[in-house]
Amino acid sequence: AQTVTQSQPEMSVQEAETVTLSCTYDTSESDYYLFWYKQPPSRQMILVIRQEAYKQQNATENRFSVNFQKAAKSFSLKISDSQLGDAAMYFCAYRSSLTGANNLFFGTGTRLTVIP
Amino acid sequence: DAGVIQSPRHEVTEMGQEVTLRCKPISGHDYLFWYRQTMMRGLELLIYFNNNVPIDDSGMPEDRFSAKMPNASFSTLKIQPSEPRDSAVYFCASSLRNRRAGHEQYFGPGTRLTVT
Repeated sequence: AQTVTQSQPEMSVQEAETVTLSCTYDTSESDYYLFWYKQPPSRQMILVIRQEAYKQQNATENRFSVNFQKAAKSFSLKISDSQLGDAAMYFCAYRSSLTGANNLFFGTGTRLTVIP
Repeated sequence: DAGVIQSPRHEVTEMGQEVTLRCKPISGHDYLFWYRQTMMRGLELLIYFNNNVPIDDSGMPEDRFSAKMPNASFSTLKIQPSEPRDSAVYFCASSLRNRRAGHEQYFGPGTRLTVT
């Protein structure tokens, strides 16, 4: 089974600054999807950004961008101009592209604190 | 769209009682997933359905857990009898088979279950 590792249980960032959350994964597949989900105190799981492994270009969504290093199996999330509303648990997730393999494998999460 | 709907949002029950969690996926989605989130084990997949048919139930912890999807707009997760170690947040998610979207999963707000 694929494994997803988030080595930073907690991170903090000053408001308006930039922070990077780390994620590594283990797979023998060449085609797959990677996701970052945000879980605020409300518990709702919210998709932040998605990356397809066959695309070399790093995905970007407004203040959120990823650094996808396929050879290193690394998928970090960069949050620019951090806002108080960014405070949440962030989960990295992996999904195979194989037919029939539809579930997500999650990392253990990183709790992000935004300091005013 | 209302998104994925789960009920109840909170459930407190006594050990030995039957618990039923409910989920209404996003209209038109053909995949439905049940996840459990605990501090110890993080987010783990319990079971998922495709077109109302259970595809992978290998994550269901034991026979006390059962899940059904009688139609495309409704699914239940039942625990009978419940035990304190079942206390967790249970998420339902749905997705549409769409490669361009990476089969993006949309999560419901979760049900926080407490078994005393």
